[in-house]
Amino acid sequence: DTAVSQTPKYLVTQMGNDKSIKCEQNLGHDTMYWYKQDSKKFLKIMFSYNNKELIINETVPNRFSPKSPDKAHLNLHINSLELGDSAVYFCASSQVLFLAGANVLTFGAGSRLTVL
Amino acid sequence: ELKVEQNPLFLSMQEGKNYTIYCNYSTTSDRLYWYRQDPGKSLESLFVLLSNGAVKQEGRLMASLDTKARLSTLHITAAVHDLSATYFCAFRIIQGAQKLVFGQGTRLTINP
Repeated sequence: DTAVSQTPKYLVTQMGNDKSIKCEQNLGHDTMYWYKQDSKKFLKIMFSYNNKELIINETVPNRFSPKSPDKAHLNLHINSLELGDSAVYFCASSQVLFLAGANVLTFGAGSRLTVL
Repeated sequence: ELKVEQNPLFLSMQEGKNYTIYCNYSTTSDRLYWYRQDPGKSLESLFVLLSNGAVKQEGRLMASLDTKARLSTLHITAAVHDLSATYFCAFRIIQGAQKLVFGQGTRLTINP
């Protein structure tokens, strides 16, 4: 069983379209995250949720809207896609908020989004 | 500015050699993480360093942390091909909404 699973793994779409990426974790973790990895491999946090509550919302265009229906799921919806949105989006989870003790982020396999 | 600088960004080395990857971070932190990423795959946690002077070892990899210098190192001993991957370090911001700030990654290629 995959601990953090994302779908789809690949997504190719046209500018202006709306798309969603789904994420589910079966680890019983309280906190989930979305990270964006750009073409230069920089990983930047976009959002984090703790028990369905939004905790971190970095400077991300409001075309990006996360939704957490329960603490095991965090989905990312993107409206009006732009070329610059092309990236790999990683979902992650951690046992507790603020990574107390030796807790780490557990990442999904990533969703590669290509906007044409 | 919150940032992490890894050095080098690209490293090609021969099997059997030793090398060190350096990770400098820009502000006070209490935790430093090392992750490994294989091409097209997820990031896998390698080490969490929790205090100044912490050293952790797993197989041919050893990580250390100097919080005063804001420096962590990942040392590879007698490299083998299986260690080829991209290695990321990240530090935890402890003010405000705590989060991890990642470096750009060091792409390590180990040649037979």
